[in-house]
Amino acid sequence: AQSVAQPEDQVNVAEGNPLTVKCTYSVSGNPYLFWYVQYPNRGLQFLLKYITGDNLVKGSYGFEAEFNKSQTSFHLKKPSALVSDSALYFCAVRPVTGRRALTFGSGTRLQVQP
Amino acid sequence: GAVVSQHPSWVICKSGTSVKIECRSLDFQATTMFWYRQFPKQSLMLMATSNEGSKATYEQGVEKDKFLINHASLTLSTLTVTSAHPEDSSFYICSAHTSVSSYNEQFFGPGTRLTVL
Repeated sequence: AQSVAQPEDQVNVAEGNPLTVKCTYSVSGNPYLFWYVQYPNRGLQFLLKYITGDNLVKGSYGFEAEFNKSQTSFHLKKPSALVSDSALYFCAVRPVTGRRALTFGSGTRLQVQP
Repeated sequence: GAVVSQHPSWVICKSGTSVKIECRSLDFQATTMFWYRQFPKQSLMLMATSNEGSKATYEQGVEKDKFLINHASLTLSTLTVTSAHPEDSSFYICSAHTSVSSYNEQFFGPGTRLTVL
């Protein structure tokens, strides 16, 4: 069985400062890793995905994530936060082979203060 | 890009009635769709995997007779909550899997908020 841990319920950061949202995972075999963002009463919007290759993945809206196999982590980062980045962020994983359904972390609420 | 719609976006119903939620892939075909449920301030929990032309696969603890899933075409999956009760009130989100995009493979609908009185 696979699992995802997002240890922080909320992350607060000042506008213009760098942000990090943490994610660790557990999966049998190699993983596909995802980050999604959710705004109130909306579905999930795709940010980025790690498949293979370069450990640093660049995604939408200036976000990036670093895959660290030894630490089984996939932290989301952004060099300079915007107030509009305030939302709920979900990390998700699925095995490369096997069923395609995603397993989500519990979510981290990002609050960017002006 | 690939777009997934859900209808209705919100619904309020009386206890004991049934509610149907539609999930459509608008510009691509999806052999597999997933139904998730999200309680307030919680994560998405997979309810079932819907495969076109075959029976849905339900996750452990999800009542298949209560949450009826039909995937009659490559662009449409429906979730029917039968004899709904207040504890079924939740945010239901579908997603459609496609291999069209090499970058993202699963596209999510905007969700349906169900409130059972």
